[in-house]
Amino acid sequence: KAGVTQTPRYLIKTRGQQVTLSCSPISGHRSVSWYQQTPGQGLQFLFEYFSETQRNKGNFPGRFSGRQFSNSRSEMNVSTLELGDSALYLCASSEGFQDSNQPQHFGDGTRLSIL
Amino acid sequence: AQKVTQAQTEISVVEKEDVTLDCVYETRDTTYYLFWYKQPPSGELVFLIRRNSFDEQNEISGRYSWNFQKSTSSFNFTITASQVVDSAVYFCALSEAGYGGATNKLIFGTGTLLAVQP
Repeated sequence: KAGVTQTPRYLIKTRGQQVTLSCSPISGHRSVSWYQQTPGQGLQFLFEYFSETQRNKGNFPGRFSGRQFSNSRSEMNVSTLELGDSALYLCASSEGFQDSNQPQHFGDGTRLSIL
Repeated sequence: AQKVTQAQTEISVVEKEDVTLDCVYETRDTTYYLFWYKQPPSGELVFLIRRNSFDEQNEISGRYSWNFQKSTSSFNFTITASQVVDSAVYFCALSEAGYGGATNKLIFGTGTLLAVQP
């Protein structure tokens, strides 16, 4: 089985722009979660989706949004980019939720740099 | 409040030494899950183990072992006979069951950088 695929791997943007990151989960996985990793704040939960519905959202401003498509692929969007948005964005997928006894598997991440 | 504490920021050992990475967690839920992930320099988080709050049995997988103690809210990870390939950042994480287990949200510790010298 192919793993979680995130595209692009690297991205450079300037302040004020917007960006869309993509995540293709492992085949058969219906749950997708997004995390932001920075040296200062560590790994922080952004949001999670299941069957095209956002189930949970972390403490991030409204500039961060996401969606999930019917094939379980997910995208996250960040508008009006700020320098502090520079981070590694990680996507994780699983078959269901924790009670399904399935762990999440992570992709390689998208490294976003804001100039 | 939910929290995961990894007090060891960096650990440096020489190959073949045993090393223990500490993890202490806080949660009000009675049902929760604990995890360890490894992050090599490439960036991907590699799943190592998951335990639920009702299973306090220790686990051994090759050179890796985990000690879960609810009484001290700890979930420590030991690598026996460490190797250079074990060098990475290791994260401990907590997931609460939420309503009917319907969440995969992970709360991560700050990670421990393990450097294994040849």
